Amino acid sequence: RKEVEQDPGPFNVPEGATVAFNCTYSNSASQSFFWYRQDCRKEPKLLMSVYSSGNEDGRFTAQLNRASQYISLLIRDSKLSDSATYLCAVTYSGNTGKLIFGQGTTLQVKP
Amino acid sequence: SQTIHQWPATLVQPVGSPLSLECTVEGTSNPNLYWYRQAAGRGLQLLFYSVGIGQISSEVPQNLSASRPQDRQFILSSKKLLLSDSGFYLCAWVGQVNTEAFFGQGTRLTVV
Repeated sequence: RKEVEQDPGPFNVPEGATVAFNCTYSNSASQSFFWYRQDCRKEPKLLMSVYSSGNEDGRFTAQLNRASQYISLLIRDSKLSDSATYLCAVTYSGNTGKLIFGQGTTLQVKP
Repeated sequence: SQTIHQWPATLVQPVGSPLSLECTVEGTSNPNLYWYRQAAGRGLQLLFYSVGIGQISSEVPQNLSASRPQDRQFILSSKKLLLSDSGFYLCAWVGQVNTEAFFGQGTRLTVV
């Protein structure tokens, strides 16, 4: 079983739609959680960190469910510019340094 | 400010040739450093990571090796490339626990 798993999609949605991605992790010692955005043929860039209490940044909301070992990303009012691959990432406790990414979920927003 | 340099941007190498990709970080000390590979249409596969000079953790047994000769330098190498080594190689650094990873612009390697 992969340490971090995502549904690769693609998710094809119309502009204005709300779309949600989930990411599951297998190691209960996981400590920190992130969502990254990767545009085609570019390096990933941080979209947002995921905090235990959940956090929101404009149209984006991230949540963590430690009991079920998953994180989620909700995008409201999708824009064409949201089309990209969204990667979740997990680090482990104790500063082992290990940083694992999921395989990414591709989102295509259509007019 | 912190920056990360990774080069070259693209590389075409014949099967059996050696490889050396270099990554350097500026503006920070004692970063955690990472090498990832991304095959076309796939996710980031963690290859190696390092929490300090000379400390290398390998995630996947393969045809590659990594070294960290200086605090802010991370090198990915191979003695003999395979076709399966083709991919998008990304170097990243993290300054402290729980902070974001910053990526270099990547090296697109094609083994022919």
